Amino acid sequence: QKEVEQDPGPLSVPEGAIVSLNCTYSNSAFQYFMWYRQYSRKGPELLMYTYSSGNKEDGRFTAQVDKSSKYISLFIRDSQPSDSATYLCAMSPINNNDMRFGAGTRLTVKP
Amino acid sequence: DVKVTQSSRYLVKRTGEKVFLECVQDMDHENMFWYRQDPGLGLRLIYFSYDVKMKEKGDIPEGYSVSREKKERFSLILESASTNQTSMYLCASSLMGGNTGELFFGEGSRLTVL
Repeated sequence: QKEVEQDPGPLSVPEGAIVSLNCTYSNSAFQYFMWYRQYSRKGPELLMYTYSSGNKEDGRFTAQVDKSSKYISLFIRDSQPSDSATYLCAMSPINNNDMRFGAGTRLTVKP
Repeated sequence: DVKVTQSSRYLVKRTGEKVFLECVQDMDHENMFWYRQDPGLGLRLIYFSYDVKMKEKGDIPEGYSVSREKKERFSLILESASTNQTSMYLCASSLMGGNTGELFFGEGSRLTVL
């Protein structure tokens, strides 16, 4: 079993749809939870981060962490074609030298 | 604007060649990392460094070595390239003790070994 599981997709949605991306994990030591966005032929960029459990909202994006279920989610409201990218979940214990990544979900938002 | 620069975006090498991948960051970060990214496997850590001349093995160090002679520069070396090292290589840096754990990535070096 992988330490971080993420459905690689691909996921295709129409413009304006609500997108839900998810990851599960097995290591209860993880404290920082992040979502990175990676456009084609580019490096990943941090999109959202959450410390421990709870929700965090930033514009059209909401990150949720449920540590009791070892489950994290990223919601994208009113999705746009510019949201088309690969989304990677990542998590680490206090020491960020041990960050673990999911496989990434490839999202396409069609106009 | 913060930047991590990987000098080679695309490389094609032959089996057995020695390969150098260079990475430079301009953010004065202490930590630097080398990952490889493969479809379905995500990012896997090869090596990281938390200070000049210091290095630590990641999850998949076999077949790789690294060098950090200056704080801003972290090099990945493939002593004798093999076809199973064909991959996307990503360099990243982060601030020691940074409270978000954010990694800043370069744009990647796509290596093909024939």
